[in-house]
Amino acid sequence: DAKTTQPNSMESNEEEPVHLPCNHSTISGTDYIHWYRQLPSQGPEYVIHGLTSNVNNRMASLAIAEDRKSSTLILHRATLRDAAVYYCIRRGAGSYQLTFGKGTKLSVIP
Amino acid sequence: EAGVAQSPRYKIIEKRQSVAFWCNPISGHATLYWYQQILGQGPKLLIQFQNNGVVDDSQLPKDRFSAERLKGVDSTLKIQPAKLEDSAVYLCASTLLIGLAGVHEQYFGPGTRLTVT
Repeated sequence: DAKTTQPNSMESNEEEPVHLPCNHSTISGTDYIHWYRQLPSQGPEYVIHGLTSNVNNRMASLAIAEDRKSSTLILHRATLRDAAVYYCIRRGAGSYQLTFGKGTKLSVIP
Repeated sequence: EAGVAQSPRYKIIEKRQSVAFWCNPISGHATLYWYQQILGQGPKLLIQFQNNGVVDDSQLPKDRFSAERLKGVDSTLKIQPAKLEDSAVYLCASTLLIGLAGVHEQYFGPGTRLTVT
């Protein structure tokens, strides 16, 4: 039970922003939200994580709703290299294990 | 910094044969994970090691799967005998010692694609 809900697939035009949604309506107050992505024929790679506040790093931004029941991964300018499956994962504060769902397959159109 | 190494990258075997996968984590990473990823699904955790001890193997099918990490560095995952449903990509990941604040990012290897015929 991945405990998060994501759309199966999304499309974006190259060089445009992408907003990938994730629903985690049963999240507890100490659960972290992690995003990983998996490029074709590669293992997953860490993108970003957060608890309550919005987070930014060199790869993406993470916007977490005030009630923490949903979050959005933002890629500011999609490139062809961003085409991947994006996984939104809840992680309990006391656990370092990741439970992956099916993720969202992002296609980037040139 | 070298990443997580796995070998072989591809393996084709017949059902009822045995197979072994090898993983070399990032230097200094105490925690090692093995995942199984069936086509179209996300990775599923099989076993977690901390140094050379097993932290969690609750999802490892122990009647046919085994794993070890004898010296707390390299690890091997074995399947004996293999079944058709074991066809999947087997991923190894590592992370620094868990429990440290902010240290939790898992680094994944490229995986081994197993086909059982």
